Amino acid sequence: DAKTTQPTSMDCAEGRAANLPCNHSTISGNEYVYWYRQIHSQGPQYIIHGLKNNETNEMASLIITEDRKSSTLILPHATLRDTAVYYCIVRAAGMGGSEKLVFGKGTKLTVNP
Amino acid sequence: SAVISQKPSRDICQRGTSLTIQCQVDSQVTMMFWYRQQPGQSLTLIATANQGSEATYESGFVIDKFPISRPNLTFSTLTVSNMSPEDSSIYLCSGRDTGELFFGEGSRLTVL
Repeated sequence: DAKTTQPTSMDCAEGRAANLPCNHSTISGNEYVYWYRQIHSQGPQYIIHGLKNNETNEMASLIITEDRKSSTLILPHATLRDTAVYYCIVRAAGMGGSEKLVFGKGTKLTVNP
Repeated sequence: SAVISQKPSRDICQRGTSLTIQCQVDSQVTMMFWYRQQPGQSLTLIATANQGSEATYESGFVIDKFPISRPNLTFSTLTVSNMSPEDSSIYLCSGRDTGELFFGEGSRLTVL
């Protein structure tokens, strides 16, 4: 079962920041937080991941609370092309069965003109 | 990141038949996985495709229904056997080496 809780849907205005929350209150010390998104009719796309420090890349920023029980994915300037389902996933580091990703229901983000 | 190609991209199949989906990665990957995404749903992991040995199936999925092959580090197949309308889904192949998990575009199966 997925170990994360996300809102079912969110809306955001084009050009504004989109802040997508994720609750992972049972996360273990060796588990990373991963974010993927799935644009309609495409395969999921990796966005970003982190352990306990905040992370930023060309796509987004990831803010993880100090207790690591929740995180927020930030798309700084949302565009219409960012409309997608966003999945927050926790995964343990290392080889073997922990390599697999278990997807929850995700958040359907709609960016409006 | 590496690119995954899946064939077929879509197909319409008759009840009781079987279909094999091919997954080709343009570079060697350590891990390969098969997922299913039923209409309007999230992704569900079917199995981990192990090179040179039997796949590792998740709860609710069995080898007789979803036989998987992985003859080398760049290729895998998933067969959906004895199909029923409930097998109508998108089937996605994914792979990972040292970087992040990446996905193919999926194979959309419709079973009549």
